[in-house]
Amino acid sequence: ETGVTQTPRHLVMGMTNKKSLKCEQHLGHNAMYWYKQSAKKPLELMFVYSLEERVENNSVPSRFSPECPNSSHLFLHLHTLQPEDSALYLCASSQGFSSPYSPLHFGNGTRLTVT
Amino acid sequence: AQTVTQSQPEMSVQEAETVTLSCTYDTSESDYYLFWYKQPPSRQMILVIRQEAYKQQNATENRFSVNFQKAAKSFSLKISDSQLGDAAMYFCAYRNSGGSNYKLTFGKGTLLTVNP
Repeated sequence: ETGVTQTPRHLVMGMTNKKSLKCEQHLGHNAMYWYKQSAKKPLELMFVYSLEERVENNSVPSRFSPECPNSSHLFLHLHTLQPEDSALYLCASSQGFSSPYSPLHFGNGTRLTVT
Repeated sequence: AQTVTQSQPEMSVQEAETVTLSCTYDTSESDYYLFWYKQPPSRQMILVIRQEAYKQQNATENRFSVNFQKAAKSFSLKISDSQLGDAAMYFCAYRNSGGSNYKLTFGKGTLLTVNP
């Protein structure tokens, strides 16, 4: 399934770099999510957007900055990251909060390594 | 806050046999939704099966079925006739029906190995 596309697939960055992760969904959904997946931990919800408005900022450090210019695109801007930020970052989309039974559709993730 | 517990970090099964993955959750809500997702090496999380809490009948999707015990807050996944392609990480997830229903709370996952 290619309904949710994430780029890049892999990213290595230094602690002083600035980079961005991109997510695009082709499913006509109106909610988009960023999750962080670290080894041996549950997925952590970072940000949620509904109709391009942020509805959740789950105590995420300011070095992560999301952007949702429209309902099909979601970005995660990264700057001055720490080594503990190394993880798999997953983007997902869904039909919206009026349909909680509707599943989330995920992308393949970006494997981020901070050196 | 809701929590989801998967007590089996790893499981293995012989090809063509049946395996059951455990999941328990904690909630004070009466109406909610439960999901099982699969994450193969490709890293994409794929929905396997879902259950509405107000439905007593257990959900079934081909070789995948659940045993939903609402009083016990248990939601186990049974995979019948296991295939090599079933090898993956399996995540149990919970979602409220109202309130902050945009939150999907995941367990830590169970790594399933299928032996030929």
